[in-house]
This record gives sequence, structure tokens and C-alpha cells, in this order.
Amino acid sequence: EMQLLESGGGLVQPGGSLRLSCAASGFSFKNHAMSWVRQAPGKGLEWVSGISDTGSGTYYADSVKGRFTISRDNSLSTVYLQINGLAAGDTAVYYCTKSRSPRGSVDAFDVWGQGTKVTVS
Amino acid sequence: IFLTQSPDTLSLSPGEGATLSCRASRSLSTTYVAWYQQKRGQAPRLLIYAASSRAPGIPDRFSGSGSGTDFKLTISRLEPEDFAVYYCQQYGDSRTFGQGTKVEI
Repeated sequence: EMQLLESGGGLVQPGGSLRLSCAASGFSFKNHAMSWVRQAPGKGLEWVSGISDTGSGTYYADSVKGRFTISRDNSLSTVYLQINGLAAGDTAVYYCTKSRSPRGSVDAFDVWGQGTKVTVS
Repeated sequence: IFLTQSPDTLSLSPGEGATLSCRASRSLSTTYVAWYQQKRGQAPRLLIYAASSRAPGIPDRFSGSGSGTDFKLTISRLEPEDFAVYYCQQYGDSRTFGQGTKVEI
């Protein structure tokens, strides 16, 4: 069974930093692009960042560019999201997601983790 | 690309059909549109990708259609477990989600 398990969330003061982790299992991690999607309390979904299968390509929403850094370690089947300069607007559940197709194919997110909660206060 | 979903809320009864709309701010040159279902307290689940392809395990009462700027998710006969929030997403030009449509009893 394909699974994604996020960790690293918590309560952080404004201006602080966090590193979120997402451990993957049940599929060939190194062959799939990965993304992070967040959801503020009571709000909709917002894509924040993505990374190619090899890690050579990284992509960010304008709202987080310059503060978020996505990376991956294919030997550990783990993707990370480093978040700096946290503000109240970053309070959300952060979901890790897997791209449906392998390699560089553009595709939807077919596997989602259960999310890790980040509270900035 | 911005996505606008309508209506914001759809109030229906089990057994009825539902049509959810998603309009893009400009024409999508590809059919890179997906639909997700999210129940309270759960992660989203992929229903439809490439505008009209059902994800594995998704019942055939769910169908997607559309091209250009207008896309639709149709649920032919609502089951009790279908009452949830539905999001459209485009993944052809970066990634964006619509604001969601709540399907309530």
C-alpha cells in the first residue's frame, strides 16, 4: 500500500522556522515528483511547493517563494519542506502528496498523507 | 491560472444527481484538470484526473468532463458517503485549486 507519513509540525512563534518531513513507502519514491499542499483552518487547498523525481527541479507558489525550500533524499524515500520566517498566515495543515505518473510526467496527486499541523502563534 | 468553482454549496438528497462546475481564468491548452473529494478531518482523495479519467477504485457514478475553461464533475446518484467538499485542480500551469464546493444533505 502506498503511504506518506508527515512529521515535524508544531507550535512556532512568528519569525520561527520548521522543517517538515514526509516519509514514503509502498512505491518507487525515486521515480515520482512530490508536492506539498496546505490547508488553513476552515479554508481550501493551496499548493505551496513541488520537486521533480530527481530533485533537480523545484517549484514554489508565489506566496511562499523565498521562505520555503523543498528538498528530497531518494535514498531515504523522504521529502522535506523547510519553512522560514513563519507568519500567522502559514498556520495550516501541510499535506505531502505524490504525483500519479512517474518521471517527468505532469499529473495529479494520487496519494496524500494525513497531514502535519503547523500553528504560528 | 485561477479556478472558480460553483456553486459554493449544493444541497441535495441521497439518490439525486449533482453537477459541480469549475471555470478557469484562461483556457487550458491541456486537459490537466483533476477533482478531489475531502471529508471532514480527512486528507483529500483523487477522484478524476486528465479531466475525465477516474482514479482506481472510484465508483462509476463519478464522471468528469470539459475542456478549455469549463470543467464539470458529475455524480449520477448521490450515496450517503458522497456528501463532502470537492475541489478542482489544474496542473498544466503550475498548480492551483478551486475554492471548493460543499455537497450537503
